[in-house]
Amino acid sequence: DTEVTQTPKHLVMGMTNKKSLKCEQHMGHRAMYWYKQKAKKPPELMFVYSYEKLSINESVPSRFSPECPNSSLLNLHLHALQPEDSALYLCASSQVVGSYYGYTFGSGTRLTVV
Amino acid sequence: KQEVTQIPAALSVPEGENLVLNCSFTDSAIYNLQWFRQDPGKGLTSLLLIQSSQREQTSGRLNASLDKSSGRSTLYIAASQPGDSATYLCAGLYSGGGADGLTFGKGTHLIIQP
Repeated sequence: DTEVTQTPKHLVMGMTNKKSLKCEQHMGHRAMYWYKQKAKKPPELMFVYSYEKLSINESVPSRFSPECPNSSLLNLHLHALQPEDSALYLCASSQVVGSYYGYTFGSGTRLTVV
Repeated sequence: KQEVTQIPAALSVPEGENLVLNCSFTDSAIYNLQWFRQDPGKGLTSLLLIQSSQREQTSGRLNASLDKSSGRSTLYIAASQPGDSATYLCAGLYSGGGADGLTFGKGTHLIIQP
């Protein structure tokens, strides 16, 4: 298995809702990442997990809450989002942070906040 | 601070042409460079990864080169097809780069006219 799987593919949520994004990989990678991507922009790093521990939080608002229950699974919990949070959310993994062997990205979750 | 620049920002060519996408970087201490393809609203698909010890990589109609001394990488697409239409992103992996190690270019939006 050489894929990063993200669910759901699309999500529409109200500003008072709570929802979660899920990301899974079975490549034995020990680094996993969340990115946010707005239209016509490159991905922006949000969080880095290394060996299931949060190592980097790029000044992301607390309405985004990451969780890494095990080495294969990464969640992003969403609460009280704003319309400007609407974006494509990408998950990625690599053997370790800064892996010489490259990064694998998922297909993304298109999030719309109404 | 490392920077990755992609030229051109957009390109439209007739089907069947050979074309070159350019990626330049400011720091020769690069570990590897990865080329991605992104279809509208979708995730990033890895096309080619060139490690710093390599000069080029090939996959089908795609060939990517890396010249650390000049700070350049090129992605060559042979015999272009309408299905090649997408945004192409390059990303450099650096020691001391972003928290994930990656620095993305802003991408080249490619349209292949039938």
